[in-house]
Amino acid sequence: GESVGLHLPTLSVQEGDNSIINCAYSNSASDYFIWYKQESGKGPQFIIDIRSNMDKRQGQRVTVLLNKTVKHLSLQIAATQPGDSAVYFCAVSSTGNQFYFGTGTSLTVIP
Amino acid sequence: KAGVTQTPRYLIKTRGQQVTLSCSPISGHRSVSWYQQTPGQGLQFLFEYFSETQRNKGNFPGRFSGRQFSNSRSEMNVSTLELGDSALYLCASSLALRTGESGYTFGSGTRLTVV
Repeated sequence: GESVGLHLPTLSVQEGDNSIINCAYSNSASDYFIWYKQESGKGPQFIIDIRSNMDKRQGQRVTVLLNKTVKHLSLQIAATQPGDSAVYFCAVSSTGNQFYFGTGTSLTVIP
Repeated sequence: KAGVTQTPRYLIKTRGQQVTLSCSPISGHRSVSWYQQTPGQGLQFLFEYFSETQRNKGNFPGRFSGRQFSNSRSEMNVSTLELGDSALYLCASSLALRTGESGYTFGSGTRLTVV
């Protein structure tokens, strides 16, 4: 199986600062990783994904870093905005298998 | 295009009753997965359906069941409800079976409260 954990259940940042949310996984065979954002009253929304053949991937204001050696991935949000306030999950899977989700980090952006 | 639609949004049931939740995937998506979300456990995988067949199942008791219809719509049923079944039930659809490409698209969920 797989065990997925997030380092901090809550995170508060000032508007305009960068945010870093971390996730650790246990299965070295895991090869696909996704970050989701969940706003209150809504389902999780895809943000960015990365496969194990990469160690970094960038999107719009977001970057995902993958360190397979220590089985750790992070989500970086640049210039955090109030609209970024939400719960962030990582999802981890190995090819052909189900996704395992972390319990989430609640990000609060302070104006 | 329309997203994943889950009905009802909210539900209150009494212990011992049964409940049926519905999920309509994005048009063209053939895989539907169900998750239970609770504050302490996060998202826990229930089961996945593809082409009307259950392809994968999580570690939940037999009281939890599901099915998928020929139009890819899916239902999940929980019988003999327990207080611990109170949760947000999320449905997610994808084009194919566990492709992983762009992950799933989730619905907004059904909030089930068992009293």
